[in-house]
Amino acid sequence: GAVVSQHPSWVICKSGTSVKIECRSLDFQATTMFWYRQFPKQSLMLMATSNEGSKATYEQGVEKDKFLINHASLTLSTLTVTSAHPEDSSFYICSARFSSGANVLTFGAGSRLTVL
Amino acid sequence: RKEVEQDPGPFNVPEGATVAFNCTYSNSASQSFFWYRQDCRKEPKLLMSVYSSGNEDGRFTAQLNRASQYISLLIRDSKLSDSATYLCVVNHSNYQLIWGAGTKLIIKP
Repeated sequence: GAVVSQHPSWVICKSGTSVKIECRSLDFQATTMFWYRQFPKQSLMLMATSNEGSKATYEQGVEKDKFLINHASLTLSTLTVTSAHPEDSSFYICSARFSSGANVLTFGAGSRLTVL
Repeated sequence: RKEVEQDPGPFNVPEGATVAFNCTYSNSASQSFFWYRQDCRKEPKLLMSVYSSGNEDGRFTAQLNRASQYISLLIRDSKLSDSATYLCVVNHSNYQLIWGAGTKLIIKP
């Protein structure tokens, strides 16, 4: 089945540092990846849609200069949280559609970011 | 009003019982619906899609009520392993998936 590998699983960093999260689609090509953020006891919130070979589409209220998304290949998308602050501490999850047009998403395992 | 609303719970249910919860959506143009399961500190995993005619998968039954704009999930003969947060997801246009905040279910022995 379709698998999305996401790393790191968790990271603790100091305020002001940048953190990169990677998502790789295994055994399938993901032309589109979605990046979500989930705060405790809240729903998943779509941050941005990452398209291979083009600029990501950010949701309203998400700073594109703070959350840098790169989707340079059909199997890899990265999210970099720049100059992280404690309020950026959250659970970040990527997902991809296994097949074109399908609405079922395959999720990465998530990355729990804690900014001290 | 939120686009997708769920009772956050928690629902505390004894093992073996039947439990059901709903999810309401506000956009009548919504096209497809899903239930996902999310364990603590884990990624969501698809539990089942919800079809207009309703669908059943083992102990799980999902139904859609378009007139009242809600979907439901029923779990029969609940197991301890069913303890999780159940997320309702609604799609009302391409690539726009709206997530509920989830209903927490706790199955007790």
